[in-house]
Amino acid sequence: EAGVAQSPRYKIIEKRQSVAFWCNPISGHATLYWYQQILGQGPKLLIQFQNNGVVDDSQLPKDRFSAERLKGVDSTLKIQPAKLEDSAVYLCASRLRGRGEKLFFGSGTQLSVL
Amino acid sequence: DQQVKQNSPSLSVQEGRISILNCDYTNSMFDYFLWYKKYPAEGPTFLISISSIKDKNEDGRFTVFLNKSAKHLSLHIVPSQPGDSAVYFCAASFSGSARQLTFGSGTQLTVLP
Repeated sequence: EAGVAQSPRYKIIEKRQSVAFWCNPISGHATLYWYQQILGQGPKLLIQFQNNGVVDDSQLPKDRFSAERLKGVDSTLKIQPAKLEDSAVYLCASRLRGRGEKLFFGSGTQLSVL
Repeated sequence: DQQVKQNSPSLSVQEGRISILNCDYTNSMFDYFLWYKKYPAEGPTFLISISSIKDKNEDGRFTVFLNKSAKHLSLHIVPSQPGDSAVYFCAASFSGSARQLTFGSGTQLTVLP
């Protein structure tokens, strides 16, 4: 079974530039999450999708971050404009509905904002 | 407000000995707890979990203990192996949170050969 795919693996941008991350969850997983992990901290939830609808985006900085999950499969997370404090690993995770709390994570995108 | 805390950023253990990783939580609504393991440049992978109706769950070399009155859980690894060297995250959720996970800050475990 293929895992959660994310791209790119690494991205370096200057502040005020824009960036986008892509995620392809495990086939059949209806729930998709984007987490932000700052160095030395645990992953922090940014947004949760159920199919193509948003379940919770209360912690998403909506003035600069946006996310979508068209057709309930792939998802993209965008930052525009980026700030220095956005430097982090952005993790995508998915979960099969009704299968408890076990999330499957991708390898993440390491973002450096200079 | 850090609802899940891992107060030890790092832990070193000799190969073959027991590793004990600790986690404290403040939200009494949490009813499900998980441990994830993370290697460098990889995403976290699920290790073991426990429901609040239990106080112990075991899977091979890994055992998780839950003390609800103290709002404390621990992960025991016996015997520890060099391949266990990784960052371990404690996570918690409750039924009213759409089963979202709240993570601790992680503990870097190093198993010395």
